[in-house]
Amino acid sequence: DAGVTQSPTHLIKTRGQQVTLRCSPKSGHDTVSWYQQALGQGPQFIFQYYEEEERQRGNFPDRFSGHQFPNYSSELNVNALLLGDSALYLCASSYGTGTLSTDTQYFGPGTRLTVL
Amino acid sequence: DAKTTQPPSMDCAEGRAANLPCNHSTISGNEYVYWYRQIHSQGPQYIIHGLKNNETNEMASLIITEDRKSSTLILPHATLRDTAVYYCIVRASRMDSSYKLIFGSGTRLLVRP
Repeated sequence: DAGVTQSPTHLIKTRGQQVTLRCSPKSGHDTVSWYQQALGQGPQFIFQYYEEEERQRGNFPDRFSGHQFPNYSSELNVNALLLGDSALYLCASSYGTGTLSTDTQYFGPGTRLTVL
Repeated sequence: DAKTTQPPSMDCAEGRAANLPCNHSTISGNEYVYWYRQIHSQGPQYIIHGLKNNETNEMASLIITEDRKSSTLILPHATLRDTAVYYCIVRASRMDSSYKLIFGSGTRLLVRP
């Protein structure tokens, strides 16, 4: 059973460019969350997608946008890159439907983005 | 802001139990306690979660105090591969339409040979 996968593993961009990161959820999961982790800090929630819509958003500017596809995979797009966007970008998947009052998020290995 | 307080670092000897404390004195009745760990530069790994009762799985045990204001994650026989940053997270029920995990600074556990 494949876990959460992310691509690419590493990415180098320059300021002002745009980047797209990809995530495939764990088998059976229908919800994808994205997190940003700067060096030395804990992950920060960017947003969550469920049923192809953004369900909740953290404190990130509109330069950060996302998409969820019918097969539940997801993309994170960042426009007009800044040096401060350099970070590890993590995707987490979970099962968002059902009667349980909580759903466990499982993380992928992350994409390391460096902005020069 | 994270609703938990953890010691910044701890260490234990290989083969001994590692007991990682977490304070969550403002936890409300429908909030869960989750534990994740992150080995250097990898994605966080889910360990265990609980609401009121103590929980055990193949990785660890979670002991939650009766008043739910604190908890302890127990790794019964720590190995060198358990060296990681451990995050204790209080998470609202999704019935409250809150879906995010709020990470604090975590506890850096060093397992000594």
